[in-house]
Amino acid sequence: GDSVTQMEGPVTLSEEAFLTINCTYTATGYPSLFWYVQYPGEGLQLLLKATKADDKGSNKGFEATYRKETTSFHLEKGSVQVSDSAVYFCALRLGRAAGNKLTFGGGTRVLVKP
Amino acid sequence: ETGVTQSPTHLIKTRGQQVTLRCSSQSGHNTVSWYQQALGQGPQFIFQYYREEENGRGNFPPRFSGLQFPNYSSELNVNALELDDSALYLCASSLAPDIAYEQYFGPGTRLTVT
Repeated sequence: GDSVTQMEGPVTLSEEAFLTINCTYTATGYPSLFWYVQYPGEGLQLLLKATKADDKGSNKGFEATYRKETTSFHLEKGSVQVSDSAVYFCALRLGRAAGNKLTFGGGTRVLVKP
Repeated sequence: ETGVTQSPTHLIKTRGQQVTLRCSSQSGHNTVSWYQQALGQGPQFIFQYYREEENGRGNFPPRFSGLQFPNYSSELNVNALELDDSALYLCASSLAPDIAYEQYFGPGTRLTVT
């Protein structure tokens, strides 16, 4: 079945450090790929997305590129802030035949220290 | 514009009891999806409702059931609660079930089963 694997956390960084969170997927078909962020006590917020191979999603300084050849969608940010401390989820979504559902990875907790 | 809201925020139930969780979709959205997020894990798809009909279901037993009302709000019902049902339950609404339409998440209901 379809699945998403992302690096386990927690990831602890100092402010202004470079952040990478690895994400790989397995899917039958051509999924859309997403990164969601969950701040403490809150629901999920869409951070960025890419709908086809070689697309780059970007938002709030975060970027991820849809790599079909390596089935990956790694999240990167060049200079993190304390406010980026959260749990990040990689997810994929296929079309109607697969129920239009989101399939999530296990999440990566990121802690940024001042 | 009001976002997705869920009630109650927290709930404590005893094993064997039944529970009903509620979700109000964002204005204009006719599709609601429900997800279960166990502690430290990514959300798992339970089912989706579109125009008052179930439109896809994940690997959850029949004791997980739902409803969608004419105003597109939704309920998740869980019968015969088990300890493993303790989780954060998230609902997400979208303009339509198709993959082109983003799912917007509510803040969730934290269910504890003792």
